Amino acid sequence: SQKIEQNSEALNIQEGKTATLTCNYTNYSPAYLQWYRQDPGRGPVFLLLIRENEKEKRKERLKVTFDTTLKQSLFHITASQPADSATYLCALDNQGGKLIFGQGTELSVKP
Amino acid sequence: EAQVTQNPRYLITVTGKKLTVTCSQNMNHEYMSWYRQDPGLGLRQIYYSMNVEVTDKGDVPEGYKVSRKEKRNFPLILESPSPNQTSLYFCASSPRASGGAVADTQYFGPGTRLTVL
Repeated sequence: SQKIEQNSEALNIQEGKTATLTCNYTNYSPAYLQWYRQDPGRGPVFLLLIRENEKEKRKERLKVTFDTTLKQSLFHITASQPADSATYLCALDNQGGKLIFGQGTELSVKP
Repeated sequence: EAQVTQNPRYLITVTGKKLTVTCSQNMNHEYMSWYRQDPGLGLRQIYYSMNVEVTDKGDVPEGYKVSRKEKRNFPLILESPSPNQTSLYFCASSPRASGGAVADTQYFGPGTRLTVL
């Protein structure tokens, strides 16, 4: 069956460092992979989408890579700030309307 | 303001009492979807709709119904709620066209916290 895993339930880093979050999947061939941010008690907020034929995508301090051979996406936040503390979700999109989400990685950035 | 609204935001009900959670978006999006979020299980898709009158099952459709009679509305219906449907529910919409065209951004509503006793 399809499976999507995000590494470690929680990630603690120091302000200014780069946070790297991992999303691995099996038994799936997504057309797109999406990353979201979710704050406690709120709905997820879309951050970035990367297509299967794209290797890397950037948006301000965010960078996403997508390796369809390894079946893995890496999400980087450079120069992290305490305001970046949140749960980050990855989602697989097969272009047919069905989305599968990972369980999320909770990021805590300490001053 | 572009947004997805859900009502009610909080609901406590009893087993077997039919309920509807409404979802509305004002962005003229084709695609809408319902999710439930549970601790340890993450966000799971219940149903989605690529356009008016087109709905499909997600990963956990059992015990739920949806309808898409108008583009802006996508209500979630629990005909006979049970305690295992106690959860946080999110509706979302996206400018995805029928046929699987690119979805650039999925907008989520604020969530509905449902408790079934």
